[in-house]
Amino acid sequence: NAGVTQTPKFQVLKTGQSMTLQCAQDMNHEYMSWYRQDPGMGLRLIHYSVGAGITDQGEVPNGYNVSRSTTEDFPLRLLSAAPSQTSVYFCASASASGTYEQYFGPGTRLTVT
Amino acid sequence: GESVGLHLPTLSVQEGDNSIINCAYSNSASDYFIWYKQESGKGPQFIIDIRSNMDKRQGQRVTVLLNKTVKHLSLQIAATQPGDSAVYFCAEKWPDSWGKFQFGAGTQVVVTP
Repeated sequence: NAGVTQTPKFQVLKTGQSMTLQCAQDMNHEYMSWYRQDPGMGLRLIHYSVGAGITDQGEVPNGYNVSRSTTEDFPLRLLSAAPSQTSVYFCASASASGTYEQYFGPGTRLTVT
Repeated sequence: GESVGLHLPTLSVQEGDNSIINCAYSNSASDYFIWYKQESGKGPQFIIDIRSNMDKRQGQRVTVLLNKTVKHLSLQIAATQPGDSAVYFCAEKWPDSWGKFQFGAGTQVVVTP
């Protein structure tokens, strides 16, 4: 199992550009989520999904879109990048049965200039 | 483990000593809690969890204590090793929500020889 994979690992954008951060998991997990992590702070939930076709907003959803067309993939779209979106982005997945243990990907470091 | 903005609280521990990491959570109705470990440049990794109907849970070299009266969570690491050097986060699950977690800001643990 590859677990949770994220691409790209690093990205630099100019203000106003759009892009999609990719996240995939091969564990057949129902639950997937996106977090951002800023220096000296914990993770903040952006969006999450409890299954294909179902998404919901987290704590900081503005400026981001998600969709969940398959169980495996959960892309995060930045519609018009802003410097405030400079952060490290983590995707996570979890099984709906048992505990709520989330498996995190390695992260994408995004810089918006 | 209180948030102090850009500078994480740091706990320096001598190798072989026990570590205690503290976390204050925000919602008295939160029903599930997780401790994560995050090494530099990596995603968070699950350590141990506890449900709100328990006040103590033990794992391998780790113990989590939950005090609901004062909304306090602690992680005890026995016989701390150099590999335990990392940032440790607590996370609380919002009630009536499968996937919404709120993370603390984290505590940096530095193990000295």
